[in-house]
Amino acid sequence: SQKIEQNSEALNIQEGKTATLTCNYTNYSPAYLQWYRQDPGRGPVFLLLIRENEKEKRKERLKVTFDTTLKQSLFHITASQPADSATYLCALDTQGGKLIFGQGTELSVKP
Amino acid sequence: SAVISQKPSRDICQRGTSLTIQCQVDSQVTMMFWYRQQPGQSLTLIATANQGSEATYESGFVIDKFPISRPNLTFSTLTVSNMSPEDSSIYLCSVGGWSSTDTQYFGPGTRLTVL
Repeated sequence: SQKIEQNSEALNIQEGKTATLTCNYTNYSPAYLQWYRQDPGRGPVFLLLIRENEKEKRKERLKVTFDTTLKQSLFHITASQPADSATYLCALDTQGGKLIFGQGTELSVKP
Repeated sequence: SAVISQKPSRDICQRGTSLTIQCQVDSQVTMMFWYRQQPGQSLTLIATANQGSEATYESGFVIDKFPISRPNLTFSTLTVSNMSPEDSSIYLCSVGGWSSTDTQYFGPGTRLTVL
């Protein structure tokens, strides 16, 4: 069955550094992959979508890569800020618009 | 984008009772999804609700336990029936699959605690 794995341990970094989060998947070839941010007590908020024919996508301080050979996506936040502290989820598409989510990685940016 | 509201935002319920969660969207959408997020876990899709047809349930979820209504293109309800403490979770509705972005937008969630 389809499986998605993200860094299980929380990621703690210093303000100003680049945070890199990993999303690996198996037994599937998604047409696209998405990254979401979730704050405590809130629903996920969409950040970026990258399609299978795209290697990299950027949005302001965010960068996502998608390696369909390695079956991996990397999510980077450059010049990180304490306000970036949250849980980040990756999600893969399945048929009919349904998404399968990873368990999320908790990021903490210290001032 | 879409603005989604859910009611209630949280509730504490007794074992054996049922709770109906409402999801309202500020625009008409074809597909609505209901997810569950158990403590410390990721989101798990419960069912897909299309207006005018029966909801489609994922493996492990059944209509008797999680009946869903979709009376129009802006509204849906999810009922958690005959609740047990294992049903304690956050329940989220989402909409998406529109235009060319394929993104999904989520409601704020309903935090359910079953005693």
